[in-house]
Amino acid sequence: DTGVSQDPRHKITKRGQNVTFRCDPISEHNRLYWYRQTLGQGPEFLTYFQNEAQLEKSRLLSDRFSAERPKGSFSTLEIQRTEQGDSAMYLCASTQSGGEYNEQFFGPGTRLTVL
Amino acid sequence: AQSVTQLDSQVPVFEEAPVELRCNYSSSVSVYLFWYVQYPNQGLQLLLKYLSGSTLVKGINGFEAEFNKSQTSFHLRKPSVHISDTAEYFCAVSASGRRALTFGSGTRLQVQP
Repeated sequence: DTGVSQDPRHKITKRGQNVTFRCDPISEHNRLYWYRQTLGQGPEFLTYFQNEAQLEKSRLLSDRFSAERPKGSFSTLEIQRTEQGDSAMYLCASTQSGGEYNEQFFGPGTRLTVL
Repeated sequence: AQSVTQLDSQVPVFEEAPVELRCNYSSSVSVYLFWYVQYPNQGLQLLLKYLSGSTLVKGINGFEAEFNKSQTSFHLRKPSVHISDTAEYFCAVSASGRRALTFGSGTRLQVQP
């Protein structure tokens, strides 16, 4: 069990460019979450998948953001036409469904800087 | 909707002293409560959780927290801190039936020798 991994760990881009992040969950986990964490704040929920189905999206997820989990394994988060306000740490978490509540395991995050 | 308030953005404390990190929440439905720790350049790690039952929950690294429904609080405590406890601590809630976590803004615990 290698834990949740995210790639890249750091991304610097210019305003207006598109970026894509990848998250690989723990292999047996069927639920996957994306959160965004800005400096000095706690993580904020963006969206979550159960298998390949995207079941919930936050209003924070503007039209420029899209997330996919095509085969129910890894997930990608794409931001189009990046803005300086998109600069943040993007966190991925995974868990297995079933039971009263199952712990979400977090990856190390992708830090995005938009210049 | 749920919200979480962490009353202290920073808590400086000397090594081996006790510490309490405060957390209050707001929700119109029953919730599950969590404390996470984030070390520099690392992901979030679960310290402890309250789902139901005993209101005093024990977690890893000697931390414990007490759920107080009447005061809508879930304060984190440790009787004696170590330098290695220096980190950012986040309180979080999840409404029963909803899977996403709502986090507070965090408390930076700074343990001084």
